Amino acid sequence: QKEVEQDPGPLSVPEGAIVSLNCTYSNSAFQYFMWYRQYSRKGPELLMYTYSSGNKEDGRFTAQVDKSSKYISLFIRDSQPSDSATYLCAMSAGGSNYKLTFGKGTLLTVNP
Amino acid sequence: DSGVTQTPKHLITATGQRVTLRCSPRSGDLSVYWYQQSLDQGLQFLIQYYNGEERAKGNILERFSAQQFPDLHSELNLSSLELGDSALYFCASSVDPGGNTIYFGEGSWLTVV
Repeated sequence: QKEVEQDPGPLSVPEGAIVSLNCTYSNSAFQYFMWYRQYSRKGPELLMYTYSSGNKEDGRFTAQVDKSSKYISLFIRDSQPSDSATYLCAMSAGGSNYKLTFGKGTLLTVNP
Repeated sequence: DSGVTQTPKHLITATGQRVTLRCSPRSGDLSVYWYQQSLDQGLQFLIQYYNGEERAKGNILERFSAQQFPDLHSELNLSSLELGDSALYFCASSVDPGGNTIYFGEGSWLTVV
């Protein structure tokens, strides 16, 4: 079993839809959870950062972490064509031995 | 623009050759990370340096090596290149060694023919 599992999609939605992106993980030591957005042939861009369980909201984006289920989600409200990208979840246990483990990414297309 | 600069952006080379990828971190960032991204493996952590010293090692092949210089820029050296080394190589940086929030450069696209 991989440490981080993410459905690669592709996911296609109409403009204005609510998008739900998810990752599951197996390592219970993970405490830091991130979402990155990557446009085609560009570097990943940090979108959301969450520590431990709970929700975090930033504009149209909401990140949720459920450590008991080892499940994290990213919700995008009122999706726009400019949201079309690959979304990667990432997580780490923190501490002195750094290692950020990424999901393989979900390709999202928002159609006008 | 993340502030992390990588050169070259694109590189085509032959099998068996050696290449060097260069990275300048964001101003003030002491940690540099190297990642490899391929279609089948996703983003794979290779190695981390903090203030000139190796901090963590991931799935880095013995044919690959890296270093961070006193001015904090970093280089990733790839030698005896194989077709399977074709990938996008990213450099990232962060202020602290914990690196839970890291910022990526635009990547160096390596094609081995």
